[in-house]
Amino acid sequence: GAGVSQSPSNKVTEKGKDVELRCDPISGHTALYWYRQRLGQGLEFLIYFQGNSAPDKSGLPSDRFSAERTGESVSTLTIQRTQQEDSAVYLCASSLTGGRLDTQYFGPGTRLTVL
Amino acid sequence: QKEVEQDPGPLSVPEGAIVSLNCTYSNSAFQYFMWYRQYSRKGPELLMYTYSSGNKEDGRFTAQVDKSSKYISLFIRDSQPSDSATYLCAMTGEGTYKYIFGTGTRLKVLA
Repeated sequence: GAGVSQSPSNKVTEKGKDVELRCDPISGHTALYWYRQRLGQGLEFLIYFQGNSAPDKSGLPSDRFSAERTGESVSTLTIQRTQQEDSAVYLCASSLTGGRLDTQYFGPGTRLTVL
Repeated sequence: QKEVEQDPGPLSVPEGAIVSLNCTYSNSAFQYFMWYRQYSRKGPELLMYTYSSGNKEDGRFTAQVDKSSKYISLFIRDSQPSDSATYLCAMTGEGTYKYIFGTGTRLKVLA
């Protein structure tokens, strides 16, 4: 079956612009995660969705970052007024139930460059 | 101090060598430990997970957790050039969905 897909694969934007990143999880997966990976760094947790709701959004770095999820399907991560420090790869993962030993399946990421 | 520390490498070994990858952590509440492999320009893929202390073996891979020392390891036996990738450790505890990742160790297995 299809894995997790993300779009766009690459995004170059100017400082101050808004960007929207999309994640399509594996069908039937109720849990969805967003992470940020800066160059040479590990993954930084941003937000966790269970279905439509976000029980843990503690990793969102500022109020410029927001995310939503439609049903148990597509999620979008929006970054408003982008800054150069937002440049990173944004990774999305989904898992069947969100259990702690549930395998998270990652998408290929969106590489964001803010000029 | 970071919650999870991992040597970034790169670590270069000859084909067939035994590879040891390690992470240390500071939060004693961590109970769930994972190892991911990430190829260049790809998302991470789960290799192994363990709960609490102990060892777990899967083919050429062995994961060890020593909670008393707050130290986890991944061993790769008979390493292959296809094992060349970045290996990330990750961990979490009860009552949270936030996974903390190490920075990753870049491994090169030379043919």
